[in-house]
Amino acid sequence: SQTIHQWPATLVQPVGSPLSLECTVEGTSNPNLYWYRQAAGRGLQLLFYSIGIDQISSEVPQNLSASRPQDRQFILSSKKLLLSDSGFYLCAWSPILWGLRINTEAFFGHGTRLTVV
Amino acid sequence: GESVGLHLPTLSVQEGDNSIINCAYSNSASDYFIWYKQESGKGPQFIIDIRSNMDKRQGQRVTVLLNKTVKHLSLQIAATQPGDSAVYFCAENKATDKLIFGTGTRLQVFP
Repeated sequence: SQTIHQWPATLVQPVGSPLSLECTVEGTSNPNLYWYRQAAGRGLQLLFYSIGIDQISSEVPQNLSASRPQDRQFILSSKKLLLSDSGFYLCAWSPILWGLRINTEAFFGHGTRLTVV
Repeated sequence: GESVGLHLPTLSVQEGDNSIINCAYSNSASDYFIWYKQESGKGPQFIIDIRSNMDKRQGQRVTVLLNKTVKHLSLQIAATQPGDSAVYFCAENKATDKLIFGTGTRLQVFP
């Protein structure tokens, strides 16, 4: 079965410090990978999505970047955190069915709650 | 830009009643829709999905209705239980590998 791991669960970082959140998926190959951010009491904002190694699309201009060094590893980074980067960060994956990018649901990790102080 | 929106930010229902959560989408090219449930501090969990070639799909205690004419999606929960209390999101996939979420509706179930 497929599983998604996301860590850490919580993180408190000072303004101006770097950030690295990691997400890995097991039990599947060549998944679509996503990073979402959720502000308190709000919806999910798509930050990045990736259809393959080193193939990443950014949805909104921001202080963050993403990388996919391996097929099932997705990393969210920042060189200098801002207060506005605080939020709940969710990694998700969706499968490729029969070699085709058919619409399917996405499966989410447990999230990382980031507080920038 | 394109977005999926929700009409009601909070819905309060009595335990045992039916709940209806609504969602409007703006992209007529969207062809796949999903409802997710998110409990506090957790990631969203898949509830039910529907493709654009269908008008209705039923699961266990849940039904999703799709009206492509008015670009409207709804989630019906039968015999709502306290465990159904959560935030519900609709999401659309535009066949471009992006899953776009709406704002969300908080469902509160009272005894």
